[in-house]
Amino acid sequence: NAGVTQTPKFQVLKTGQSMTLQCAQDMNHNSMYWYRQDPGMGLRLIYYSASEGTTDKGEVPNGYNVSRLNKREFSLRLESAAPSQTSVYFCASSETGGPRETQYFGPGTRLLVL
Amino acid sequence: AQSVAQPEDQVNVAEGNPLTVKCTYSVSGNPYLFWYVQYPNRGLQFLLKYITGDNLVKGSYGFEAEFNKSQTSFHLKKPSALVSDSALYFCAVRDRTGGSYIPTFGRGTSLIVHP
Repeated sequence: NAGVTQTPKFQVLKTGQSMTLQCAQDMNHNSMYWYRQDPGMGLRLIYYSASEGTTDKGEVPNGYNVSRLNKREFSLRLESAAPSQTSVYFCASSETGGPRETQYFGPGTRLLVL
Repeated sequence: AQSVAQPEDQVNVAEGNPLTVKCTYSVSGNPYLFWYVQYPNRGLQFLLKYITGDNLVKGSYGFEAEFNKSQTSFHLKKPSALVSDSALYFCAVRDRTGGSYIPTFGRGTSLIVHP
């Protein structure tokens, strides 16, 4: 039982390049999330998905797109990377609704945009 | 609307002493409250949560938290700190009566336990 996995672990991009961050969970959770973590800012929600086939914007969606490929996988795409997107990105999953909402986080992807 | 505040960016404590990491929240209705811990270069890990019932919640690694509705607080505590407890701690809240199931996270408190 791997929990939540993310690839890659680390990536360096040049401004304007694109990339996709991959996330998968094996806990049969309905909900999945993408966060970014910046010093002094805590966790900020980028996008989330309540179930397969649905996605919604979070607090900071600009510059990102997501795909809920199936129940297990939720990818985050940067179409044209900018230095402001330098951050650590975390994927998480949870059951939806009620006391089961504990989130389980992946190990993170460190992204540096030059 | 829901919000959470962690008023201390950093907490320093000597090993063996009790520790407290503070969290206050604001919701329209009743809250679900969570604490998570993040060790260096790792993702967040769940520590404990308050759903309903007993105001004192016990979690992993000897941590506990007390839900205080009148003070809208959910402080994290441990009777005797270990150096290995040094990490970043996040409080999160979700309004049980709100339309969204998405929690709001605090900015985090860095706990440093000195030998």
